[in-house]
Amino acid sequence: ETGVTQTPRHLVMGMTNKKSLKCEQHLGHNAMYWYKQSAKKPLELMFVYNFKEQTENNSVPSRFSPECPNSSHLFLHLHTLQPEDSALYLCASSPRLAPNTGELFFGEGSRLTVL
Amino acid sequence: QQQVKQSPQSLIVQKGGISIINCAYENTAFDYFPWYQQFPGKGPALLIAIRPDVSEKKEGRFTISFNKSAKQFSLHIMDSQPGDSATYFCAARSSGGGADGLTFGKGTHLIIQP
Repeated sequence: ETGVTQTPRHLVMGMTNKKSLKCEQHLGHNAMYWYKQSAKKPLELMFVYNFKEQTENNSVPSRFSPECPNSSHLFLHLHTLQPEDSALYLCASSPRLAPNTGELFFGEGSRLTVL
Repeated sequence: QQQVKQSPQSLIVQKGGISIINCAYENTAFDYFPWYQQFPGKGPALLIAIRPDVSEKKEGRFTISFNKSAKQFSLHIMDSQPGDSATYFCAARSSGGGADGLTFGKGTHLIIQP
């Protein structure tokens, strides 16, 4: 138990569907992240939120839409995805964006399959 | 351009042996080098980390060796156990950046054979 909970763990959706991934952290952290993990590729940072404010969007297509209503919850809204978007989507949190450590606390991920 | 190159992509080691995973970087602004361990069905978790002012850090059976002049660092797992079978990611962070500044390698899938 890392203190970061992601739901659903598995999701299959068609290209025309709309779905959402949810992340909740119980660590009292102020920064939250979405990463994409594909086979044989480095972890790709998608979005960063610090104190609910988005601080980074790494050129992610608009079919991915993040939402951070508070410091404990993070959503990733998905619509009109492509098969190449199939991957493991990881949520992570950290105490803050300060440069003291680079430790991220990851959830177990949501395995997304786009048909 | 990949900023952190990790090798090998996969590694099989006999139980009790030494597992060695290597990473190389180019950005001299990197100042923090963590290793993450990921078991199947789980998210990555911080295993051990080093800063460039030391050449080695040891935690139990896990050791990071750091060569600043060569811009390389490696993870050594001594007395490797089947429970160490996982995917290992090296990473690097540039100075002044928080956790959002982490750059990851592609990962090494390690299998420890009993």
